[in-house]
Amino acid sequence: DQQVKQNSPSLSVQEGRISILNCDYTNSMFDYFLWYKKYPAEGPTFLISISSIKDKNEDGRFTVFLNKSAKHLSLHIVPSQPGDSAVYFCAASNQAGTALIFGKGTTLSVSS
Amino acid sequence: SQTIHQWPATLVQPVGSPLSLECTVEGTSNPNLYWYRQAAGRGLQLLFYSVGIGQISSEVPQNLSASRPQDRQFILSSKKLLLSDSGFYLCAWNGGIGNTIYFGEGSWLTVV
Repeated sequence: DQQVKQNSPSLSVQEGRISILNCDYTNSMFDYFLWYKKYPAEGPTFLISISSIKDKNEDGRFTVFLNKSAKHLSLHIVPSQPGDSAVYFCAASNQAGTALIFGKGTTLSVSS
Repeated sequence: SQTIHQWPATLVQPVGSPLSLECTVEGTSNPNLYWYRQAAGRGLQLLFYSVGIGQISSEVPQNLSASRPQDRQFILSSKKLLLSDSGFYLCAWNGGIGNTIYFGEGSWLTVV
């Protein structure tokens, strides 16, 4: 049973445009959400996170939105750059006691 | 600052041979340690996590095992590898269950 779902395996965007990556979760006990970026043959690197007490968190070009009622979060990258091309993983946890659970990832391709 | 290292970076092993992947964390004490696997089409799958020396929690039943002989050392092992064990293995750490985790460089395992 997949508790964290990234239903789009891939996304293609032109340089300068907005990239929107989506993530859904099923466990209502999750209260902490993260996005990781991964290049081939490297470990994932942490991008941005959001706690369930907030509905938006922004860091430079990256913004994460959380809709708790819909159990949905999204990562917005504006403007997209070719260097953003990577696999993006959504992750969630219950800070009271579970390890991070990851989605299957979305491959973002930004063309110049 | 904290660093995490895992090795070897790549290995090719025959079916039925043993496996040992090592991971160490520096610059912190009492970390939580994790082993994840990225297999094709399956995202990042949590295999094991440890909250202390000798304490191992297994998330997925399989022919792999993990051990934590020292505070900052985490080892992933197998007595007899299967073809299905091929994948990209990632060690990770954090300071508390549910918090942001930080990954090592990863180890590519190909079982032939």
